[in-house]
Amino acid sequence: QKEVEQNSGPLSVPEGAIASLNCTYSDRVSQSFFWYRQYSGKSPELIMSIYSNGDKEDGRFTAQLNKASQYVSLLIRDSQPSDSATYLCAPAGAGGTSYGKLTFGQGTILTVHP
Amino acid sequence: GAVVSQHPSWVICKSGTSVKIECRSLDFQATTMFWYRQFPKQSLMLMATSNEGSKATYEQGVEKDKFLINHASLTLSTLTVTSAHPEDSSFYICSATTRGPTDTQYFGPGTRLTVL
Repeated sequence: QKEVEQNSGPLSVPEGAIASLNCTYSDRVSQSFFWYRQYSGKSPELIMSIYSNGDKEDGRFTAQLNKASQYVSLLIRDSQPSDSATYLCAPAGAGGTSYGKLTFGQGTILTVHP
Repeated sequence: GAVVSQHPSWVICKSGTSVKIECRSLDFQATTMFWYRQFPKQSLMLMATSNEGSKATYEQGVEKDKFLINHASLTLSTLTVTSAHPEDSSFYICSATTRGPTDTQYFGPGTRLTVL
């Protein structure tokens, strides 16, 4: 089992629709979770961080975390063509040699078509 | 806020030479910086964790004598790829945290290294 698994896509949604990105992780003690967006040829940029179970909203983005299910998701409302990118889920290690280290999923490629 | 820069943004070198990449936190002090490598169509792989004033901690499989990391100040970490070979060609990205290793990591723009 991979440490972080994401729906690999590619995920294609029409402009204005909701894009749903999912991620499961294996490290039960992880407490911090991050979603990054990476455009082709660029470095990742932070979209959302979430630390507690439940939902966290920031503009068009909503992150959802369920630690019991080891599941974290990202919803993008009113998707725009500029949202087309690879989305990376990254839990942070919480203890031992993994402390603070991000483990990245393989990413979900999102395409928003006009 | 939380801006991280890298220099150079791209570099082409001959096989056998060494290349130094700088990572700077521009508007904050970074006690911890991380170095990643990303090959085409793959995700980021952590190479090492760099703490100011101490030796870097390398991930399994990363040669510490080949990838020299120095974190001499709270705003600067450097990665030197020694005796570079074509298989070292990759996208090298650093990140920095504002408070500590569990804090949000902000990424630099990356350095694309091509070894001929």
